[in-house]
Amino acid sequence: SQTIHQWPATLVQPVGSPLSLECTVEGTSNPNLYWYRQAAGRGLQLLFYSVGIGQISSEVPQNLSASRPQDRQFILSSKKLLLSDSGFYLCAWSVLAGGPYEQYFGPGTRLTVT
Amino acid sequence: GQNIDQPTEMTATEGAIVQINCTYQTSGFNGLFWYQQHAGEAPTFLSYNVLDGLEEKGRFSSFLSRSKGYSYLLLKELQMKDSASYLCAAMDSNYQLIWGAGTKLIIKP
Repeated sequence: SQTIHQWPATLVQPVGSPLSLECTVEGTSNPNLYWYRQAAGRGLQLLFYSVGIGQISSEVPQNLSASRPQDRQFILSSKKLLLSDSGFYLCAWSVLAGGPYEQYFGPGTRLTVT
Repeated sequence: GQNIDQPTEMTATEGAIVQINCTYQTSGFNGLFWYQQHAGEAPTFLSYNVLDGLEEKGRFSSFLSRSKGYSYLLLKELQMKDSASYLCAAMDSNYQLIWGAGTKLIIKP
């Protein structure tokens, strides 16, 4: 069966510090991978998605970046965090082969920028 | 533009039935998804509809009308553990999910 891991679970970082969040998927090959952010009491905002190694699409211009160095690894980074980067970061995977295309989420990372 | 509308909050009684509505506007359409999200946790997949009609899964059912851009999630025999946010999401022509802000469901004894 497929599983998705994210770490760390919680993170408190000062403004201006760097960020690296990691997501890995097991039990599937060539998944589509997604990074979302959810502000408190709000819906999901798609940040990045990837359909393959080295292929990253950005949905929202900001000080975040993403990389996919391996098929089942997706990394979210920032060189300098802003207060507005606080939120619940969720990684998800899906497979677009025959549908129904649902996305499965990792446990999330709660980031507080102070 | 693309848009999903769903009520912000609903309250229901344990053992009762509740219907959470969702309307959507997307560029193309490849299905409508419902997710459940408990406070502080990640969303979990509940249902998927791509054809008109009702899909039933135990106590949960989901309905879709493509011509009206409308869906609902029906929860029967409510239990306290059903207290959560319910997210509606429509998949557009690029197979990207457009998410609603979620409906917080409060269950009272």
